[in-house]
This record gives sequence, C-alpha cells and structure tokens, in this order.
Amino acid sequence: AQTVTQSQPEMSVQEAETVTLSCTYDTSENNYYLFWYKQPPSRQMILVIRQEAYKQQNATENRFSVNFQKAAKSFSLKISDSQLGDTAMYFCAFMKLEGAQKLVFGQGTRLTINP
Amino acid sequence: DAGVIQSPRHEVTEMGQEVTLRCKPISGHDYLFWYRQTMMRGLELLIYFNNNVPIDDSGMPEDRFSAKMPNASFSTLKIQPSEPRDSAVYFCASRDQGLNTEAFFGQGTRLTVV
Repeated sequence: AQTVTQSQPEMSVQEAETVTLSCTYDTSENNYYLFWYKQPPSRQMILVIRQEAYKQQNATENRFSVNFQKAAKSFSLKISDSQLGDTAMYFCAFMKLEGAQKLVFGQGTRLTINP
Repeated sequence: DAGVIQSPRHEVTEMGQEVTLRCKPISGHDYLFWYRQTMMRGLELLIYFNNNVPIDDSGMPEDRFSAKMPNASFSTLKIQPSEPRDSAVYFCASRDQGLNTEAFFGQGTRLTVV
C-alpha cells in the first residue's frame, strides 16, 4: 500500500517570503502521479499542481513549483512571493496509474502567511 | 458545469438516527470517491466507484456505513445508525477516466452527531 507523509503539521511565514512544504511517499510503483491540493478556510479542495512520475522536469504553475526527487521519493512544494491568500491547509497526494486510481493523501500542513 | 455538488452542506443529527449524504458528480466523469476528513485521521478514502460500480470499499469503517451509485449522476453515503464518532466532513470527488486528469471535489458535508 502507498503512504504519504507530510512531516510539518504547521508552518508560518511573512508575506512575500518563499516557503517550502515537504512531502515524502512510499511506493513500489514506477508509474504514478503526485499532487498538491490546497484547502482554504472555505473547505474547498483545490488542485495546486501535479507531477507525472515519468517526467524528470519539475512542474511549475506561476508562483508554485515542485522539487520532485523520484529516487528519494520526495515531492516538495515551493511557494514563491507568498500572499495572504495562500493561507490554507496543503495536502500532498499520490495516485498510481495501474489498478486502483485513487488518491492517497498525506496528513496536511497548515500554512499561515502573516502580513 | 457546476462542479461536484454535495448536499446538505451541514447536517446535525442525534445519535442513532439515519444520515444520508448526497453527491452529484461532474457530468461525464467515470470515477466517484467518498472521503472523510477529521483532525485525527486526515483525509481517508471510504469507497470509490468506477462507472457506477463499487471498486474498493475497504475504507468503509463499519457495516453502519453504506454507499450506492444508482446512476452516473448520483451517489449516496448512508450511515445507520449514526454515532458521535462519525462527526466529520465528508467529501465527494469525481474524475475522468483519462490519466492526466485531476479529481474535483465538492464543498463537503459537515456532519455533527450529538
């Protein structure tokens, strides 16, 4: 079974700073996807960024980028020029491509951006 | 499309009562997932369907929980009888069969069992 671990329950940074959220996972699969989801106080789950395991290039979406280290099974999220609206819970998730295509989530990191 | 629609948004019920949560997935999506979110356990997958067929219900905590998907546009999660420890936010999500697709989540139902 796959497991996803987020070792930082909470983080706090000042507005405009850069912050990195950590995620590690355990799997014997070779083909899979990794995701970061954001959950603001509104409770809505919003996809931030995704990474295909077969791609060596790290995914980037505007201020959000990942550092994907397949051999180390590490998938960190970097938020540059952080904004107050980035305050939310962030969940790392894993989905294998063969067989059961279900999302397995980490415990989440509560990120607070301070003015 | 209006996205994944869940109802009700909030539900407060007394212990022992039956609770039914509803979900309308995005039209055309082949997969439907039910998750439960609590502070202690985070996001847990309860059950998921593919083309209306339950594929994996190993996350359903007890026989008190049941889920159905009678057609491609509707699913229910039922708890009977409900207990205080069932209090949580229940999310429904759907996604397309294609590999490069994300799961879209509903707004969730906050269930409180008193």
